[in-house]
Amino acid sequence: DAGVIQSPRHEVTEMGQEVTLRCKPISGHNSLFWYRQTMMRGLELLIYFNNNVPIDDSGMPEDRFSAKMPNASFSTLKIQPSEPRDSAVYFCASSSSTGSDEQYFGPGTRLTVT
Amino acid sequence: DQQVKQNSPSLSVQEGRISILNCDYTNSMFDYFLWYKKYPAEGPTFLISISSIKDKNEDGRFTVFLNKSAKHLSLHIVPSQPGDSAVYFCAASFGYGGSQGNLIFGKGTKLSVKP
Repeated sequence: DAGVIQSPRHEVTEMGQEVTLRCKPISGHNSLFWYRQTMMRGLELLIYFNNNVPIDDSGMPEDRFSAKMPNASFSTLKIQPSEPRDSAVYFCASSSSTGSDEQYFGPGTRLTVT
Repeated sequence: DQQVKQNSPSLSVQEGRISILNCDYTNSMFDYFLWYKKYPAEGPTFLISISSIKDKNEDGRFTVFLNKSAKHLSLHIVPSQPGDSAVYFCAASFGYGGSQGNLIFGKGTKLSVKP
């Protein structure tokens, strides 16, 4: 298995632009998680889906952030408009409800907003 | 307020010696605890876990100890190897099973193992 796939790996954009991050979970996994990592706050859960349905989006910082999971093999995290304080590494992770709480992480997308 | 705390941002250990990474938590309802390892430019990878009904779990060079009364867990690496140099995250959850969702992470401890 290729593991969790994220694209792009790096994104540099200007303030005010729309940014879309993409994630392909491990095949067969039915839970998907979006995290953000910053120096100040560490790894924070933004939102997670179970069977393509958003279960908890309480970590989404504000309305500029939105996430979708149109099918079991694809999810997007969108920031519109982006701001410099959104600069961080964004991780996607997936897990199987038949297993432990072990989550498998993608390599992350490093976002820089100038 | 941080529910999972790793109070040591960094730790340096000599190759062959024991590395002990510590983690404290505040919520007694946590049911499952995990350790993740992260190399630069990679995502965290699962290392070892422990259920709240146990006090020890061992996997090769890695052992996790849980002290529920103290709300404390630790990861022991024996013997430490240079390849163990990474950031280690402690995480906790309220249930067993991936669909329970929310893993709450500590901020990590950077381990450096010197040859």
